[in-house]
Amino acid sequence: DVKVTQSSRYLVKRTGEKVFLECVQDMDHENMFWYRQDPGLGLRLIYFSYDVKMKEKGDIPEGYSVSREKKERFSLILESASTNQTSMYLCASRTSGDTEAFFGQGTRLTVV
Amino acid sequence: KNEVEQSPQNLTAQEGEFITINCSYSVGISALHWLQQHPGGGIVSLFMLSSGKKKHGRLIATINIQEKHSSLHITASHPRDSAVYICAAPYFGNEKLTFGTGTRLTIIP
Repeated sequence: DVKVTQSSRYLVKRTGEKVFLECVQDMDHENMFWYRQDPGLGLRLIYFSYDVKMKEKGDIPEGYSVSREKKERFSLILESASTNQTSMYLCASRTSGDTEAFFGQGTRLTVV
Repeated sequence: KNEVEQSPQNLTAQEGEFITINCSYSVGISALHWLQQHPGGGIVSLFMLSSGKKKHGRLIATINIQEKHSSLHITASHPRDSAVYICAAPYFGNEKLTFGTGTRLTIIP
């Protein structure tokens, strides 16, 4: 059974804290993605990685950074959390070409 | 970037009704994705299709590449079908997906 696992389902952090969201996939996929989902806006791409140590900015990268040191793990980092980063964060992975995307269960982050 | 639009945004129906959700996109694509998101957040891939029609149980997805339009149908709808349904299309020749804003479906017993 294929799996994308996010480290936390719910997270509450204070403004200014450094926040790490971890994502692990067991399918040997090259491509991994971080999205945030907000009401009325759908899923928006924050960052994308197509290989180890490779990353590409998505549509809304400001305030975020990522790390991919191993193929199976893709981390999203909020350098200094702000209240406008309160959102649902979803990780996904897929192999290259026209292939199915697999999603993690999501992390609901609240920044207070 | 591929713009993806879904309709309707919200849909409430009685159990047993036939459901249709529509998706249109702006640029040429090789395949379109239909996804389902239940309360709690997790997203599951339902279909990926590049032409014609696909069926899985009571769910049917169709696509018209020339008209840049896809539909998701649910036959004999059931309260457990209540979820948000999302379509997604790739940037042409790109690994990234653009998502519609989703259709919130509620099936009343």
